[in-house]
Amino acid sequence: AQTVTQSQPEMSVQEAETVTLSCTYDTSESDYYLFWYKQPPSRQMILVIRQEAYKQQNATENRFSVNFQKAAKSFSLKISDSQLGDAAMYFCAYLAPRRTYKYIFGTGTRLKVLA
Amino acid sequence: DVKVTQSSRYLVKRTGEKVFLECVQDMDHENMFWYRQDPGLGLRLIYFSYDVKMKEKGDIPEGYSVSREKKERFSLILESASTNQTSMYLCASSWAGDSKNIQYFGAGTRLSVL
Repeated sequence: AQTVTQSQPEMSVQEAETVTLSCTYDTSESDYYLFWYKQPPSRQMILVIRQEAYKQQNATENRFSVNFQKAAKSFSLKISDSQLGDAAMYFCAYLAPRRTYKYIFGTGTRLKVLA
Repeated sequence: DVKVTQSSRYLVKRTGEKVFLECVQDMDHENMFWYRQDPGLGLRLIYFSYDVKMKEKGDIPEGYSVSREKKERFSLILESASTNQTSMYLCASSWAGDSKNIQYFGAGTRLSVL
């Protein structure tokens, strides 16, 4: 069965600094998608960034980028120039679309941004 | 913008009550999902629906049922609420034809069962 592991329950970063959140997954599929979702306090969860497994190039969205290592089954999120608004729970998620619509989520990492 | 609306942000119920959690999306999405979010456990899928009147069990369906009579509305039902169902419940929806496979979430309902 596929699993997603986020080994860092909580992390802190100084404002304007860079932080990396880790995510590993286990799968025997070759075609899949990986996502990072952000859940701000008392607000709804939104997509931060996604990666298609067949693409070797790492996805980037403004200050957010991923380090996708397919062989190592690792999918880390790098946040550059951290801002107070980045404080949130971050969830890594996996999807094998040929099999199901169902995401598999990690347990989340709470990111605190220090002023 | 996609809007997924959950009818209540906070709900307090008594043990044994029948509880309805409602979710409405305005983007004509085929897929709708109910998740339960607990600290240290992440999001766990309770049920999902890929069409009107169609449903499929997720990872933790015990104690829950769902109803989807209209495409835009997906209801989660706790037939007889128990204290171990105290949790945050998240609804999500997605478009079946979306090659990006993005899910859109509601703001959540925090349910307390006393």
